[in-house]
Amino acid sequence: SSELTQDPAVSVALGQTVRITCQGDSLRSYYASWYQQKPGQAPVLVIYGKNNRPSGIPDRFSGSSSGNTASLTITGAQAEDEADYYCNSRDSSGNRLFGGGTKLTVL
Amino acid sequence: QVQLQESGPGLVKPSQTLSLTCTVSGGSISSGDYYWSWIRQPPGKGLEWIGYIYYSGSTYYNPSLKSRVTISVDTSKNQFSLKLSSVTAADTAVYYCARDPGGYSYGFFDYWGQGTLVTVSS
Repeated sequence: SSELTQDPAVSVALGQTVRITCQGDSLRSYYASWYQQKPGQAPVLVIYGKNNRPSGIPDRFSGSSSGNTASLTITGAQAEDEADYYCNSRDSSGNRLFGGGTKLTVL
Repeated sequence: QVQLQESGPGLVKPSQTLSLTCTVSGGSISSGDYYWSWIRQPPGKGLEWIGYIYYSGSTYYNPSLKSRVTISVDTSKNQFSLKLSSVTAADTAVYYCARDPGGYSYGFFDYWGQGTLVTVSS
């Protein structure tokens, strides 16, 4: 199956840790990447590959994977982390896939 | 610093062809190190990958859009373009261009344009 599934919404208390998950068969073979999107803005890459952060992304963002599930963890969530988060990967044919997105609320 | 910028009409009539161009600065499409993608996002909805092109002109399209999509490249202008034919209201979206580093284990996008809203309406 060439689909990635995310929970529609997740909330976290300020300063606490939150995990956002992404499920899909393709994740058994290919890495997930993660994007943060704030209203009216383009997505920003926050995690790619095994657990790589682009320059400028805070180290409170980390990625992991097990079986068909990839996770984005924010350790010590900040108010500015409130956003939509999308996972993405590829399938065996080379198609690029996106999850449906998770809306993160920081309480 | 690589920058991408989309341009094109913001309003397209139903059944017509949507045409957008992405201009790349700060890096050369001809370097051959990357794929160049189009991605769209309908208002209030998620992201959908449309397809990519390599500097050589090789393309790969989302199977769900393949029959209507053409992506082309002009290396002399450091631009790549999208054409989507027979548009309907369902094609109304913010359209992004993005850079894809490729690689067997990945399929991600490290640089994005700011996006351009295209509305399909008569």
